[in-house]
Parts: sequence; structure tokens; C-alpha cells
Amino acid sequence: DSGVTQTPKHLITATGQRVTLRCSPRSGDLSVYWYQQSLDQGLQFLIQYYNGEERAKGNILERFSAQQFPDLHSELNLSSLELGDSALYFCASSPDGGSTDTQYFGPGTRLTVL
Amino acid sequence: GENVEQHPSTLSVQEGDSAVIKCTYSDSASNYFPWYKQELGKGPQLIIDIRSNVGEKKDQRIAVTLNKTAKHFSLHITETQPEDSAVYFCAASMPPYNFNKFYFGSGTKLNVKP
Repeated sequence: DSGVTQTPKHLITATGQRVTLRCSPRSGDLSVYWYQQSLDQGLQFLIQYYNGEERAKGNILERFSAQQFPDLHSELNLSSLELGDSALYFCASSPDGGSTDTQYFGPGTRLTVL
Repeated sequence: GENVEQHPSTLSVQEGDSAVIKCTYSDSASNYFPWYKQELGKGPQLIIDIRSNVGEKKDQRIAVTLNKTAKHFSLHITETQPEDSAVYFCAASMPPYNFNKFYFGSGTKLNVKP
């Protein structure tokens, strides 16, 4: 158990809908990361937050947004969902977000878009 | 950006044999190289990591070697056991030091036959 929690574990929704994925980092970690894992794309970095502020952006679609709250939990919002958004979404956290910081992953949220 | 290539994509070994997974990276500025193990239905779990000022690191049956000149790093698992069966991912991270963006390899599915 990494200490990172994610909810919900599974999410099934329809195309065009909007969903919110939630992540609580390990105690004491200030940085949160979001990743998308699909069968043909592997693990893709989406976005990083540090202490409430966006720090780095990856291949995150404009339909997706995220934020980190004062209590350090984070939410990933996915809107206008398409079939291709079906994937596993992982959150990770690390102590201070530097380039040699170890990232600890949560168990993931499996999103299915029908 | 950084490009990480991982080989082989699948690896089958007999219990007790050794397994080696190799990764190459493109950007010589990369300075942190973690390895993750992902079991079915779970999030990636850090198993070992190495920083660019070190050539080799060992933790019981697991070792990682780094060749900065050739820009490649490898995971070595000795005395493999059936519970080592999983997908293994390598990653590379590079400065600037104020953010932590992992570039993941495509994964190696290791099957340890009893």
C-alpha cells in the first residue's frame, strides 16, 4: 500500500458526460501527478501540481482539467467524454516534486465510457 | 522531450533463472531512473531507483545498472519467483529541478514459470 488513495475505483459513464476523479496524496507529500494508462499508449503523464499550483503539463487534453486543493487532495475533471477516454487513471504523489523525487502511485480509477 | 525505449516487451523465464530488462533514453540531461512493477489491477509500485551519480544499486534480488555514456539502464532480477510475474516499467526524469515529469518505457511483461 503506497499511501495514495483514489476514488472511485471504477466509473462507467456515457459519451458526452463529465466525471471527477479524486486523489489523496501520501501524508506529507506536497506534489500530486496524474497519469493515463491505456492499452496502446502506456503510461502517459498528464499534469503535476505542487502545493496547490500547477507545475508541469504533459499530454492533457483541453477537455480535461485538474486542481489541487488547500488540503492537498487533487481532482481530475474529464468532460465531453469520448470512447477513447476509456482508460486507467492513476494519481501519484511525491514529497517536493523535484526532478529526482520518487513518485508513489495510487491504485487507479478505471474509467469506461460507453 | 525525452524518449525512453524498453526491451523486451515480453519475457518468459523459468523459476530460479535471472531476468534482465533494458531501457535506453535519449536526453543526456536525465538524472533519475526509477523502475516500477505493476500487477494486474493495481497501480505501479516502485521497486528500485537510481540517480545519475551512481552506476549500480542493489536491493536483495533486484539490481539496477546505469551507463550514462551509452544512455541505458537495466533491471536485473535474480532467482526469479512466480510472484515476480508482472509488468515492469522503466522511467526517466530530467531537470529543470523544479518539476518532475516521468517519461515511461512501454513496459515488459515478465512471466516466471514454476
